[in-house]
Amino acid sequence: NAGVTQTPKFRVLKTGQSMTLLCAQDMNHEYMYWYRQDPGMGLRLIHYSVGEGTTAKGEVPDGYNVSRLKKQNFLLGLESAAPSQTSVYFCASSSARQGAGDTQYFGPGTRLTVL
Amino acid sequence: AQSVAQPEDQVNVAEGNPLTVKCTYSVSGNPYLFWYVQYPNRGLQFLLKYITGDNLVKGSYGFEAEFNKSQTSFHLKKPSALVSDSALYFCAVRDTRSGAGSYQLTFGKGTKLSVIP
Repeated sequence: NAGVTQTPKFRVLKTGQSMTLLCAQDMNHEYMYWYRQDPGMGLRLIHYSVGEGTTAKGEVPDGYNVSRLKKQNFLLGLESAAPSQTSVYFCASSSARQGAGDTQYFGPGTRLTVL
Repeated sequence: AQSVAQPEDQVNVAEGNPLTVKCTYSVSGNPYLFWYVQYPNRGLQFLLKYITGDNLVKGSYGFEAEFNKSQTSFHLKKPSALVSDSALYFCAVRDTRSGAGSYQLTFGKGTKLSVIP
């Protein structure tokens, strides 16, 4: 199993450009999450999904959109990138088997720089 | 609301000595507590979790953590530190009173552990 994979690994954008980050998991997990990691701030939840076709806002959703058209994929979009969105983005997934006690498994991250 | 505090930005320990990384939490109900480790330029790796039961939880790589409800703490420990344990450690909490479908984790800001040879 590859677990959770993310593409691309690195990306540089200019202010105003758009892009989509792709997350894929092969563990048949129901729940998927997008976080951003900034120095000294830990991880903050952007959006999450509890199933195919459903998404919800997390702690810092502004400037991002998401879609979950297939159970195994969770896409994060930036419509008009801003320098404040320079960050490392992590995708995670978890199973519904243990409910809220289940472990989240993380991808390797995407390092995004917005100039 | 749920929150986590990791009071130390950095912890230094000599190789072979015991290590402790501190975590305190705040929730309305009962907590689910997690520890993750992040090596440079890598994603987060799960170490251990407390859901219910025994207050002492054993995890990967010889790490363990003790849940203390009265002190609202979940400190990570290891009896003998290795240089390879040097990494960034995150504590995370989820409130058992979170609404259905809301399985959000709240992370601390992280503690950088440096094990000195």
